[in-house]
Amino acid sequence: RKEVEQDPGPFNVPEGATVAFNCTYSNSASQSFFWYRQDCRKEPKLLMSVYSSGNEDGRFTAQLNRASQYISLLIRDSKLSDSATYLCVVRNFNKFYFGSGTKLNVKP
Amino acid sequence: GAGVSQSPRYKVAKRGQDVALRCDPISGHVSLFWYQQALGQGPEFLTYFQNEAQLDKSGLPSDRFFAERPEGSVSTLKIQRTQQEDSAVYLCASSRAQGANTEAFFGQGTRLTVV
Repeated sequence: RKEVEQDPGPFNVPEGATVAFNCTYSNSASQSFFWYRQDCRKEPKLLMSVYSSGNEDGRFTAQLNRASQYISLLIRDSKLSDSATYLCVVRNFNKFYFGSGTKLNVKP
Repeated sequence: GAGVSQSPRYKVAKRGQDVALRCDPISGHVSLFWYQQALGQGPEFLTYFQNEAQLDKSGLPSDRFFAERPEGSVSTLKIQRTQQEDSAVYLCASSRAQGANTEAFFGQGTRLTVV
């Protein structure tokens, strides 16, 4: 079983739509949680950290449910530039564990 | 530069050839990670350094893979006798001292193709 599981998608949505991604992680002792964004043939870049209380950064909202070991990312008012692969990332001591990524295509 | 720098960006190797991939982390970052990313997959952990000490190499797929960081800064990932299954993007990342919510910053990666 993988440490981090994500729906690979793709999610094909029109501009302006709201879209939500979920992931689950297997190790209840995991310490830190992140969403990274990866564009085609580029390196992963941090989108946002995820806190237990939930956190928002502009159009992006992240939630963490430690009891269910579940992380979510909500994107409101999707832009064409949001098209990318979104990686759910869990840190456990000295390792970052990555999901396989969820691909988002925002269409005009 | 301010970010993690990797070289070469692309490497084509003949099967059986040895390769060396270089990573320059962000200055002052104590932690350094190597990851392997296959097409359509998320990055998979290879190895971790804290300063010059290799604290975890559990992800290295075989004894043909070797990594070092002798002075606690630049790191080299070496792959001996490359095989076709080694073809992937090799990503290096660095982060500040270990701590909660300390994110990793990635280099652009080295795309290795073994022919």
